[in-house]
Amino acid sequence: DQQVKQNSPSLSVQEGRISILNCDYTNSMFDYFLWYKKYPAEGPTFLISISSIKDKNEDGRFTVFLNKSAKHLSLHIVPSQPGDSAVYFCAASDNNAGNMLTFGGGTRLMVKP
Amino acid sequence: GAGVSQSPSNKVTEKGKDVELRCDPISGHTALYWYRQSLGQGLEFLIYFQGNSAPDKSGLPSDRFSAERTGGSVSTLTIQRTQQEDSAVYLCASSLGTVGISPLHFGNGTRLTVT
Repeated sequence: DQQVKQNSPSLSVQEGRISILNCDYTNSMFDYFLWYKKYPAEGPTFLISISSIKDKNEDGRFTVFLNKSAKHLSLHIVPSQPGDSAVYFCAASDNNAGNMLTFGGGTRLMVKP
Repeated sequence: GAGVSQSPSNKVTEKGKDVELRCDPISGHTALYWYRQSLGQGLEFLIYFQGNSAPDKSGLPSDRFSAERTGGSVSTLTIQRTQQEDSAVYLCASSLGTVGISPLHFGNGTRLTVT
């Protein structure tokens, strides 16, 4: 039973345009959400997070949107750069039920010059 | 400062052998996690240590898997009688505490191949 799903395994975007990565979850008890970025042969690195009490968090070119009623979050990258090409993982936690993250399967983003 | 360090970076072993994977977390981080990523899959939670509390072992796939954290710092993940389905990248992460306050910092992983 996958509690966090990223339904698009890959996404290709032109440099300078917006990249939108999507994530859906089933557990309504999740109260904290994060996005991680992973380059080949490296561990995932933290990108941006959002608490369930908010619906938007912005950090430079990266914005995360949370729609609790739809159990959906998205990561927007604008403008996209070739260096953004990586695998992006969505993750969620229920801080009342332990301290571990549940990850989605990842979306491979390719930004073409 | 130094990040999470994992060793070895690559390990090839024969089916049936035991392997030990090591993780050195960031100094001062009280929480330590093990995840694994099988080919084309997401990250699968294995085990979590927090301070002196009993570890959360709910993600360990079988009793062939075990982990220790000595002195609240270094951790070792042991897989006994390895099977081909154990082949994956094993990732260690550490954090200052609660996920909602401090994000996980990952090492570069150990790529385990069981032949």
